[in-house]
Amino acid sequence: NAGVTQTPKFQVLKTGQSMTLQCAQDMNHEYMSWYRQDPGMGLRLIHYSVGAGITDQGEVPNGYNVSRSTTEDFPLRLLSAAPSQTSVYFCASRGEGNSPLHFGNGTRLTVT
Amino acid sequence: AQSVTQLGSHVSVSEGALVLLRCNYSSSVPPYLFWYVQYPNQGLQLLLKYTTGATLVKGINGFEAEFKKSETSFHLTKPSAHMSDAAEYFCAVTVNTGFQKLVFGTGTRLLVSP
Repeated sequence: NAGVTQTPKFQVLKTGQSMTLQCAQDMNHEYMSWYRQDPGMGLRLIHYSVGAGITDQGEVPNGYNVSRSTTEDFPLRLLSAAPSQTSVYFCASRGEGNSPLHFGNGTRLTVT
Repeated sequence: AQSVTQLGSHVSVSEGALVLLRCNYSSSVPPYLFWYVQYPNQGLQLLLKYTTGATLVKGINGFEAEFKKSETSFHLTKPSAHMSDAAEYFCAVTVNTGFQKLVFGTGTRLLVSP
């Protein structure tokens, strides 16, 4: 059971470039989410989805797009990367009811 | 909106000593509270959670936390620290029964010395 898989593990971008962070889960979870982790700021919710075709904004959505075409996948798109988006990004999913969040191992993104 | 405050970005203890990590929350409605642990270069893992019922919650690895409404606190404790407990710990809160918007604190790094 792979759980939540994030790719790539590391990425360096130049300002203005675009990229997609991939997230896939094999637990048939309806809920998926993206967080960014910055020193001294904890984790902040970017976007989340409660099922295929349904997404909503979290605390810090600006500069990021998401879509959810399947239950398994929830990619995060940066259309025009900025240095302020340098961070570690975590994807998480959970099942129904009171079940806990399952986190991926993160993607470390540097924007120069 | 709900929020959590974790007092102390770093806590140092000796192996075998009591571990106490502090978390205070702010919420206008009854909260659901969580503690997560993050080991280096990994994602977060759930330690324990409070939803309803008993206010003393036991988690994995010997950790426990007590929900105190009067003090708006949910402090994490462990009677005897082990070297393997060295990690970063995050308190989190939500008021949404679907746990859709989990708000995390800024984290406390636990250092354990021999």
